[in-house]
Amino acid sequence: SQQGEEDPQALSIQEGENATMNCSYKTSINNLQWYRQNSGRGLVHLILIRSNEREKHSGRLRVTLDTSKKSSSLLITASRAADTASYFCATGYNDMRFGAGTRLTVKP
Amino acid sequence: DVKVTQSSRYLVKRTGEKVFLECVQDMDHENMFWYRQDPGLGLRLIYFSYDVKMKEKGDIPEGYSVSREKKERFSLILESASTNQTSMYLCASSHSRLAGPRYEQYFGPGTRLTVT
Repeated sequence: SQQGEEDPQALSIQEGENATMNCSYKTSINNLQWYRQNSGRGLVHLILIRSNEREKHSGRLRVTLDTSKKSSSLLITASRAADTASYFCATGYNDMRFGAGTRLTVKP
Repeated sequence: DVKVTQSSRYLVKRTGEKVFLECVQDMDHENMFWYRQDPGLGLRLIYFSYDVKMKEKGDIPEGYSVSREKKERFSLILESASTNQTSMYLCASSHSRLAGPRYEQYFGPGTRLTVT
């Protein structure tokens, strides 16, 4: 069964705007990870946030984690056309589970 | 650079054929995984392996088997391919959680399998 569920399923914004994607999960976690997938390719790891962390930054990415609500959000600031991709959250220990993803389109 | 390679990018097979999908990683990772990805369903875990000759069923193992004879190689086998196994297959590898804090997964480029 899938552990994470992303919301929204699809998001379309203009270049320069911020994009926010949400992830909800069902059981307690040790960490939560975000991945990006460009069309027809494998996934690339973006960022990992541990259960005892509330916020983490990496370049233009900001991830928050609220374990009481079992939810996480990924914010991409000042988006670029190259950010167009699908974004997935994933949880698990040695066996990871992914959601269905958010399809982000950034229009130039 | 971590590299996970898959034997084919595109594969077309006939119903009933035995299909082998190969995955090789060069980072001495303990864990290896096979997922299939279908539109609207995201990635679903088929099998994973946390050591040589060890395997664990994921969420959708039916119709599949795996083999891990060497640490760097993890094979997915479709014993008798069916049309409902047409999908994108993704292989991934990672360090074991016990090996330290960095256990993100590294993915191969995927194999798009069509069964006719």
